Amino acid sequence: EIVLTQSPATLSLSPGERATLSCRASQSVGTYLAWYQQKPGQAPRLLIYDVSNRATGIPARFSGSGSGTDFTLTISSLEPEDFAVYYCQHRSNWPLTFGGGTKVEIK
Amino acid sequence: QVQFLQSGAEVKKPGASVKVSCKASGYTFSSYAIQWVRQAPGQSLEWMGWISNNDNTKYLQKLQGRVTITRDPSATTVYMELSSLRSEDTAVYYCARGWGGSDYFSGVLDYWGQGTLVTVSS
Repeated sequence: EIVLTQSPATLSLSPGERATLSCRASQSVGTYLAWYQQKPGQAPRLLIYDVSNRATGIPARFSGSGSGTDFTLTISSLEPEDFAVYYCQHRSNWPLTFGGGTKVEIK
Repeated sequence: QVQFLQSGAEVKKPGASVKVSCKASGYTFSSYAIQWVRQAPGQSLEWMGWISNNDNTKYLQKLQGRVTITRDPSATTVYMELSSLRSEDTAVYYCARGWGGSDYFSGVLDYWGQGTLVTVSS
C-alpha cells in the first residue's frame, strides 16, 4: 500500500496569502495524484487530478505540481472560502489511499 | 447535473450489518465506476471498495469478507453492505463517481454523495 504523507498538518494564514501544501508518497505514483477540499459537514470536492489538471469549476488560483513521489498544491491568494482541509489521493494501484490532510486555517 | 442521493443515517449494534444505498442521476449510469470511501470522526478518508461499470469489484483487503458492493442499473443505484459491524466502523460513508479509465485508474472521484453516518454502538 502506498502511504501519502501530507505536510504541514495545519497551515495558519491570512486571506490574500499564498498557501503551499505538500504531499509525499512512499513510492512513485507517477502523475496519478489528485487533491480534494473538504469543509466541515460536507463531502470532499475534487480540485485537481493527475497532478495539475483543475476539475470543472475550480478557480485558477488553485494549481498543482510534482511527479513521482513529491507533489504540491498551491493556492495563490487565499479567499475566505478556501479555509478548509485538503487531502491528496493517488490512483496508481490498489488500494487507493488518501493522505492525512492539511488544515488551512485563518491566522 | 450529476447527483448522488444516499440513504439516511443508521445506528447499529456490534455484530449487525448495514446496507447503504447511493442513487445516481444526471449522467449515463452504465458508463462510470462507483467508489466507496469512509471517514471516521475527526479522521482522514479511507477507500473501501470499487464497482466497475460492468460489475467488477475490488475491496480494501482489511475489509475483505465483510464488505459487498453491488449495483442495480435499472434503479441507477449502488449499494454498500458492511457486516459484522464493530465500533471502529462508526464513520460517514460516501459514494463517489470514479472516472479516468478502467480498474484503479477510475480513481478520480469527481462527484460525491452527501454521506451517510453509520454509528455502531451497543
